[in-house]
This record gives sequence, structure tokens and C-alpha cells, in this order.
Amino acid sequence: QQQVKQSPQSLIVQKGGISIINCAYENTAFDYFPWYQQFPGKGPALLIAIRPDVSEKKEGRFTISFNKSAKQFSLHIMDSQPGDSATYFCAARSTGGFKTIFGAGTRLFVKA
Amino acid sequence: GAGVSQSPSNKVTEKGKDVELRCDPISGHTALYWYRQRLGQGLEFLIYFQGNSAPDKSGLPSDRFSAERTGESVSTLTIQRTQQEDSAVYLCASSSFYEQYFGPGTRLTVT
Repeated sequence: QQQVKQSPQSLIVQKGGISIINCAYENTAFDYFPWYQQFPGKGPALLIAIRPDVSEKKEGRFTISFNKSAKQFSLHIMDSQPGDSATYFCAARSTGGFKTIFGAGTRLFVKA
Repeated sequence: GAGVSQSPSNKVTEKGKDVELRCDPISGHTALYWYRQRLGQGLEFLIYFQGNSAPDKSGLPSDRFSAERTGESVSTLTIQRTQQEDSAVYLCASSSFYEQYFGPGTRLTVT
């Protein structure tokens, strides 16, 4: 039962370009939507997160856009760099609890 | 301060053997999670512990899998009678509220 659907599975972007990863959720009982970045051989690390009461959050080159009515949220990486090449996971945390559901991941490759 | 640590980092075992994986969470973190990540795949929730509450075991794939946590400290994930399909990276994370901090994982290979 996949409650968070992530796309695309893989993404190739030129250096300096914009990387866009999308996620959609089915259950409305989520209160926290983080994005994690994972490099090969490492555990995921929190990149940026958003609460459902805001529509956008920006931190440096990373922006989350959140559409509550459509139950969708996306990660934009501006001025993508080769060092951004990694796997990105969106996630959603259940309201009032600690359980977090992860998307299947997007493998991003930024060409130099 | 120290992050989440896991041991061993790599484990190769024969089919049918039992294995025990260890996770040391960040001190003070009340929540602890176990996930399984197969090669090239996403994170599959297995179990989480929150303080003294009963653990949420809803993600454990079979009764061969079990986990324990001592108070708000170390946790062990045990896989009995390992099968080849158990081969994966097992990730542990801990949390004090929203953000989960992940360990480096244990790569389990069942031959």
C-alpha cells in the first residue's frame, strides 16, 4: 500500500539547470513533509521540510512547493550542480504520530 | 555530538542462520525506526519505537523479523532463519520530534 508516489524514478539535468521532483500523497492525515538526500553508501539526510499550512519553503537553492488541495508537493533544485547527484526521497509523516512513509526515490544525475 | 551508529556495517550470512543488527540512537531521542532498503529501491518501514509505548510493528514482513529496544537506548533487529530475499541495507533512524537522523546502515547479504 503505497501512500506516497514519487516521480520521476531517475532524472538527468545539465549543470546549472533546474531539477524538479514530484510527489503525491493519498492520505490526508499527514502533518509534515520532508525531503531526504542520500549519497551512495550513506544513510538519508534531511534536506528540507514543509508543514501543510504553507505553500512554499525555500532554503538556498532548494525549494518545496506544496499544493494541499491537490495533495501534491515538489522539490525544485535551482542551479543544479554535479555535487547534487544523489537519490532524493520525499516523505510524509502521520499526524499526531511518528510514522513516516517514504516515496520510492528519484536518482538525480547532474551532468558537468 | 555523536550521530546514530549501527553495527555491523556489513554482515554476510548463510541462508537459514539468524542475524542480529544493532542500532545506537542519538542520546535523548525518544523515537527509533528501522527501515529496509533493497538495492536501488526506496525505504521500507519495518518498525518504530516511541518512548515506553508499544512499538508499531506493522511493517515487519514476517514473523522471522523482530526488534527490541531497551528503554530509550539501543535497539536490536533480529532476523531468524534468513532467506536470500532478506539481503538489503537495514537502516536505523532516531528522532526527538520531526526530523529523523539516519545511521549509515548495515548491509546484509544472505548467501
